[in-house]
Amino acid sequence: NAGVTQTPKFQVLKTGQSMTLQCAQDMNHNSMYWYRQDPGMGLRLIYYSASEGTTDKGEVPNGYNVSRLNKREFSLRLESAAPSQTSVYFCASSEGTLGLYFGPGTRLLVL
Amino acid sequence: QQPVQSPQAVILREGEDAVINCSSSKALYSVHWYRQKHGEAPVFLMILLKGGEQKGHEKISASFNEKKQQSSLYLTASQLSYSGTYFCGTPARGSARQLTFGSGTQLTVLP
Repeated sequence: NAGVTQTPKFQVLKTGQSMTLQCAQDMNHNSMYWYRQDPGMGLRLIYYSASEGTTDKGEVPNGYNVSRLNKREFSLRLESAAPSQTSVYFCASSEGTLGLYFGPGTRLLVL
Repeated sequence: QQPVQSPQAVILREGEDAVINCSSSKALYSVHWYRQKHGEAPVFLMILLKGGEQKGHEKISASFNEKKQQSSLYLTASQLSYSGTYFCGTPARGSARQLTFGSGTQLTVLP
């Protein structure tokens, strides 16, 4: 039982490049989330998926797109990376009113 | 709107007690508490729902006062393993899944 897994763990991009962050959970949770964490800013919600087939914007969705591929997988895509997107990205999942279970994170540096 | 946490940082000796507060300018329906160790993902501690109930996790407990729109996390007889940053999260009105997190309280427990 791996919980929530994320790939890659680290990534360096040049401005304008694109990439997809992958996330998968094996807890059979319906809801999945993408957060970014910047120093001193806490965690900010980018997008979330309440259930398979649905996605909604969070607090900071600009510059990102998401895909809920199936119940297990939820990916985050940066179409044209900008230095302001340098951050640590966390995927999380939850079921009902229970708490969020976070993946280990992806550290992204955009030059 | 982001909940406000206080204090921003606290240093204490092993065995001492600490209180971390989380307050909101909006009506609260529930409060989540998470702990994050340096370089790791946040870990869910507990969720408190309307009704002022107090919950516990190890020697960590919390209260929720929806009238005062605040929650407090109590760490009793602190252990070295309690060191980390503590975040509270509150749901957006109308969307229990859109959690907004405070900026965190950094707790350091010294031997």
